[in-house]
Amino acid sequence: KAGVTQTPRYLIKTRGQQVTLSCSPISGHRSVSWYQQTPGQGLQFLFEYFSETQRNKGNFPGRFSGRQFSNSRSEMNVSTLELGDSALYLCASSLVGRYGYTFGSGTRLTVV
Amino acid sequence: AQTVTQSQPEMSVQEAETVTLSCTYDTSESDYYLFWYKQPPSRQMILVIRQEAYKQQNATENRFSVNFQKAAKSFSLKISDSQLGDAAMYFCASRGSGNTPLVFGKGTRLSVIA
Repeated sequence: KAGVTQTPRYLIKTRGQQVTLSCSPISGHRSVSWYQQTPGQGLQFLFEYFSETQRNKGNFPGRFSGRQFSNSRSEMNVSTLELGDSALYLCASSLVGRYGYTFGSGTRLTVV
Repeated sequence: AQTVTQSQPEMSVQEAETVTLSCTYDTSESDYYLFWYKQPPSRQMILVIRQEAYKQQNATENRFSVNFQKAAKSFSLKISDSQLGDAAMYFCASRGSGNTPLVFGKGTRLSVIA
């Protein structure tokens, strides 16, 4: 079956702009989590959605937001981009958390 | 809150040899789950092995096995018969039994020398 699909793979944006990233989970997976990966901070949890509701939220400013649709697809939005937002953004889906998460290949965001 | 610590930023191993990657964690929960993920240059995180804290038996997946020491809160990964394709970043992660997020360590970069 298809894995977790993230689009786009690469993105270049200018400071001050906003960006929307998309994630399609594995069919049947209702939980979608987002992570930011940078060389300095490693993998940091952004938020998790389950059945269209935000279940957990990491320690990120309000410029970072997300949502989940009825088909479990998820989007995350970053407004007023800063240079420090340059990172690999990973999406992961799970059927049941204790069995682990399946990750997508990520979206590489560069803010210039 | 859970924390995961990987004290080895980089490791190297000769092809066909065995290497062990270290991981310690801290949690206040009695029931939790531990994972090792591999991230090759392709960027996609791949689940290598998982361990349920209530199980005393160490998990094994082909050439990959763990040494789970619950009292010491240690969860090391052993890779036997290392192959060139094992070269990657390896992340240790933990998750509580409730709806808590998966927490990652900083990772260990493994190089395999031919």
